[in-house]
Parts: sequence; structure tokens; C-alpha cells
Amino acid sequence: QKEVEQNSGPLSVPEGAIASLNCTYSDRGSQSFFWYRQYSGKSPELIMSIYSNGDKEDGRFTAQLNKASQYVSLLIRDSQPSDSATYLCAVRSGGYNKLIFGAGTRLAVHP
Amino acid sequence: GAVVSQHPSRVICKSGTSVKIECRSLDFQATTMFWYRQFPKKSLMLMATSNEGSKATYEQGVEKDKFLINHASLTLSTLTVTSAHPEDSSFYICSAEGGGGNTEAFFGQGTRLTVV
Repeated sequence: QKEVEQNSGPLSVPEGAIASLNCTYSDRGSQSFFWYRQYSGKSPELIMSIYSNGDKEDGRFTAQLNKASQYVSLLIRDSQPSDSATYLCAVRSGGYNKLIFGAGTRLAVHP
Repeated sequence: GAVVSQHPSRVICKSGTSVKIECRSLDFQATTMFWYRQFPKKSLMLMATSNEGSKATYEQGVEKDKFLINHASLTLSTLTVTSAHPEDSSFYICSAEGGGGNTEAFFGQGTRLTVV
């Protein structure tokens, strides 16, 4: 069973701080990794994709991938109350076409 | 990112009737579309994978005769919930991928189905 694990939270951070979200996966053959943001009652929105080890930065977001340790993380700098949402980690395994989603981490940014 | 349009966004139907949900990729050709179901405060549950021109692949425990999926073209997939019952009430979401090495999946807006 291919699994993606996330801490359900809530992760509470003050406005302006760095929020760090973590995700581990079980399939060592996984090739593609994604972070989605989902507001309550809405569908997921793609934030970042990462395919190789290291960091990938896009604005206030940085995705980090370590395939040897089988974890992927998302850093949100200068967190804003509008960043409050559930963040879903998704992994695509090498032999599978479908995405495997984690249960999501709820982030709360308080003023 | 690419745009995926899902319609309707909200539907209320009577028990025993059928409801069709459409998922369209507006600015790219979607070789594969996925249908998910999500319960409150839970993660996405994959129901089926839909490839254009072929039968959908259903996940274990999903009734293929109840949840009919048609992927008639590279830009349209439909999910029909047949003989709906109150326990089918849920948030249904589609996603589409362009394939060809681009493995990012983009989601439709979701459909809130309420069966009364």
C-alpha cells in the first residue's frame, strides 16, 4: 500500500512567521511531488511541484525534496492570514498514473 | 496553471434520481481525468481514473454501475451518479492531466451534491 503521511495539525503560526509543512511517503520509486492548498468548501489548488532533490522556490513558497529520506516539505515565508487552509501533499509513484494524497495539514495563521 | 471547469458547482436532487457532473479542460487536452470524492474534514478519495476513449478504471469498493464515467473527448469527462441516495451526498471533484511528460494535475471547482 502506497502511503503519504502528513501531520493533521492544526499548525498555528503568527502572521509574518515561517510555516513549515512536512510530508513523508513510503514508495521509494516515487517520481513527482506536489503541494496543493485547499480552502474550506473549495477544491485543491496546485501550489508547487518538485521532481528532483533540493529546493524549489516560487515567491513566498519553497518546496524541499529529499528522496533518500523520503520526505518533502513546504515552507511558507511571511505567512499571512489568507494562507490559512489545508495543505495537501501528493505523490505520484513511478509505476502508477494516479496521485496519492496525504490527509492534509491544517494551517492557521493568526494576526 | 491550466483551467479545469466543473459543472454544476452545487446540485440538490431527490432520492432515486440521477445526476450528471461535467468536467472540462478548457485550455489543454486531458489524456487522463480523475474523479474524487471528499467527505467533510477528510482527504480526497480517488473513485476512478478516466482515459479518453476507453473504459474508466474504478478503485476498489467503488460501484461502477452506480458511478458511471464517460470520457468522450480529450476535453470532457462526465460522472453520473445513478439512483442517488442520501449517503451519496458529498463533494465530488475532478482533476485533469495533459500527459506528455507534464504530470501536474489541475482540479475543477468541485460539485456539492445533496440528495434529499
